[in-house]
Amino acid sequence: AQSVTQLGSHVSVSEGALVLLRCNYSSSVPPYLFWYVQYPNQGLQLLLKYTSAATLVKGINGFEAEFKKSETSFHLTKPSAHMSDAAEYFCAVSLTGNQFYFGTGTSLTVIP
Amino acid sequence: DADVTQTPRNRITKTGKRIMLECSQTKGHDRMYWYRQDPGLGLRLIYYSFDVKDINKGEISDGYSVSRQAQAKFSLSLESAIPNQTALYFCATSAGGGYQETQYFGPGTRLLVL
Repeated sequence: AQSVTQLGSHVSVSEGALVLLRCNYSSSVPPYLFWYVQYPNQGLQLLLKYTSAATLVKGINGFEAEFKKSETSFHLTKPSAHMSDAAEYFCAVSLTGNQFYFGTGTSLTVIP
Repeated sequence: DADVTQTPRNRITKTGKRIMLECSQTKGHDRMYWYRQDPGLGLRLIYYSFDVKDINKGEISDGYSVSRQAQAKFSLSLESAIPNQTALYFCATSAGGGYQETQYFGPGTRLLVL
């Protein structure tokens, strides 16, 4: 069974600094990979997804993620954090597209 | 108007009571899901349905049941609520299989079981 691990349940960055949120998956076959964001008191919304078309995936709000098969990773980055990026971020994997497995989430705090 | 709606948004109930959480969607999607979110545990799948006649158990279905009344409606029931079912519940929908399967989430129902 596939699973996903998010390292760091809480990450703090200064406004304008690089954001790096880590996600590793375990699967013998490259899965479909997703990053979702959850703002306070809201449901999750898609940031970006890996569909095997390109290893570097660009998403909304300036976020991007790179699929690295050799490292079984799909880390999320943003060059310059903004206050509005404060939220909880979830990595998710799906092997067949029939079910999703979510990571435990990383809460991002942006310090002014 | 929101594409995926959940009612109620907040609910307080007592141990042993039966409650139902409802989900409706206007996206025209065939697939619907129920998740629960607990701090530090992320989202865990309770049940999912790929069409009106298809219901499948997820990772944590014990203590829950579902009903797919129509393509647009998917309800989650707790037959006899217990305190450890206190959580945030999300409904989600998706259009189809494969790499296209982005899930669209409702705003959540916050449930407290006393």
